[in-house]
Amino acid sequence: GAVVSQHPSWVICKSGTSVKIECRSLDFQATTMFWYRQFPKQSLMLMATSNEGSKATYEQGVEKDKFLINHASLTLSTLTVTSAHPEDSSFYICSARTSGFYEQYFGPGTRLTVT
Amino acid sequence: GQSLEQPSEVTAVEGAIVQINCTYQTSGFYGLSWYQQHDGGAPTFLSYNALDGLEETGRFSSFLSRSDSYGYLLLQELQMKDSASYFCAVGNTDKLIFGTGTRLQVFP
Repeated sequence: GAVVSQHPSWVICKSGTSVKIECRSLDFQATTMFWYRQFPKQSLMLMATSNEGSKATYEQGVEKDKFLINHASLTLSTLTVTSAHPEDSSFYICSARTSGFYEQYFGPGTRLTVT
Repeated sequence: GQSLEQPSEVTAVEGAIVQINCTYQTSGFYGLSWYQQHDGGAPTFLSYNALDGLEETGRFSSFLSRSDSYGYLLLQELQMKDSASYFCAVGNTDKLIFGTGTRLQVFP
């Protein structure tokens, strides 16, 4: 149980285009989903917290107009990187939790490369 | 600010015991978690300490001292498959703040 999927697993896009990443909880309902960004050999940096049916809460320094998050249902959250730039290239990981915030279930991640 | 410090890298041989330390400074604290991440993979939950003391789960144990803002992950009977990055994370209100990460390399 507690499986989280992400799609796509990797994507290459051109500068200036937008990319949407989906995060789904497959066998449970996720009250809260989180979006992280991870650079090679570095830690996970929380970008935003997403609750179903409400606006996402962004961490300081994260541009909400650039990283659009939608949590349309208890099993789906999406992250859209708008007007992508090469510096947005990174590993994006989502996680979901039901209750007990200490245990989050992570998706397999999406590697984004912007050319 | 908030910080969770870990050693950047630890090496050990198969069958050995290794301890990965984590010292934290956060504005809120609801518990200390540990996650394992293999290269290119997703983090997976290992353990959680809300109270002081030692929690044991198979070959892995985790310790917390809230008064010292310190915890550690103890890995016993190391196996090659344990080579990965290990992150401590502090629960803070509704989110996790991750440590700097420790890369463990296990040699035969």
